[in-house]
This record gives sequence, C-alpha cells and structure tokens, in this order.
Amino acid sequence: EAQVTQNPRYLITVTGKKLTVTCSQNMNHEYMSWYRQDPGLGLRQIYYSMNVEVTDKGDVPEGYKVSRKEKRNFPLILESPSPNQTSLYFCASMGLAGEGTQYFGPGTRLTVL
Amino acid sequence: LAKTTQPISMDSYEGQEVNITCSHNNIATNDYITWYQQFPSQGPRFIIQGYKTKVTNEVASLFIPADRKSSTLSLPRVSLSDTAVYYCLVENDYKLSFGAGTTVTVRA
Repeated sequence: EAQVTQNPRYLITVTGKKLTVTCSQNMNHEYMSWYRQDPGLGLRQIYYSMNVEVTDKGDVPEGYKVSRKEKRNFPLILESPSPNQTSLYFCASMGLAGEGTQYFGPGTRLTVL
Repeated sequence: LAKTTQPISMDSYEGQEVNITCSHNNIATNDYITWYQQFPSQGPRFIIQGYKTKVTNEVASLFIPADRKSSTLSLPRVSLSDTAVYYCLVENDYKLSFGAGTTVTVRA
C-alpha cells in the first residue's frame, strides 16, 4: 500500500530536549516536505526536499533542521525545542513538483512544555 | 508565490451542491490550481487539479475562467461526511503554501 508514515504520532517533551520526527514514504517519490498546522493558520511549509541531499527552506524554517540522505526518508529535527513549536506536524511526498498529488502522513502531535 | 483567498467558512445541507471560490490574482502562467480536503487530525487529501476551463472527476468539478484569476470547486450533492476544511493551492514550484482554507459544514 502506498503510504507516508510518521513516528511518533504523539510526543510530549520539555524545552531544550532534542528530538527527531521520522518520515518515510514507499512510493519512490523525489519530493518530500514538512508542514506544521496551527489553529487558524492552515498548513505552513517548514522545509522541503527535491531529491536526495537537496533541501530548502519553506515559510517557517526557524528552529528546525532536516536531512535527506535516502530517497524514502526525510526526518525533521528540533535541536532545542521551545513551547512555540507545539503543533501538529505533517510530512508529505510527491512524485514531481507541480504534479499536484501530495500524499500526506497521519501527522505528529508535538507538545513542548 | 501566488497568494490565494478563500472564504473562511460555508454552511450547507445534505444533498445540496457546494461551490467554493478561490481568488488567485497573481497566478503565473505555469501555475496549476489544486484543491485538497482535510478532516480533523488527518493529513490533507488531494481532490482535484486543473490549469484552465473545467476539470471533473468522481468527487468534484473545478471551474477555471479564462483569466485564471479565480477558480471554483464544486461538490455535488454533499453528505455529512463532506464536512471538512478545503484548501486551494496554486503551485508550479516546490515551495507550497496552503493558507487557512474553507471550513465546510454540512448539516442534516
């Protein structure tokens, strides 16, 4: 089954404790992206990757890092989480930019205390 | 990056047609128009994409006028399960922005 998986689905942590949210897709997609969703703000893009070893900033990259060492994986790293990073995070993948059909993961609800 | 404007919310009743209009005055020649649907606590799901005129699939229709400065998503005969947030996205690039979307509430 074609899918995007994220782990963990729920995470409660404390300020400053480094964490990684994993994202994996099994569709051999070149494009992957991370979004955060906050009430009233829709989805805002954090980082995206056009292919292995190619990443770029989205609209809200501050406080986040990503890496794309393999085509299927695109982890989101919070080196020093802060309470304003409490949010619902989605990973997505797409075959080619502009193709339109982004496939989204189930989401990771992160709470930073 | 083309900015889109959608109504914040719309109410409807089961069996009616729902039309959501999205404005994208600064759309570029290479931009496509894509609509997504999102249920609470789930990731968005692709509904339909178009470039110009009309596109129809098993779920919805998308109407795009000749100037492409707006588009209208049409959901025929909605049911309670169509209650969701609908996003209009204008894209031709890797950097994507969803905006706040339109919350559609379908009542019995």
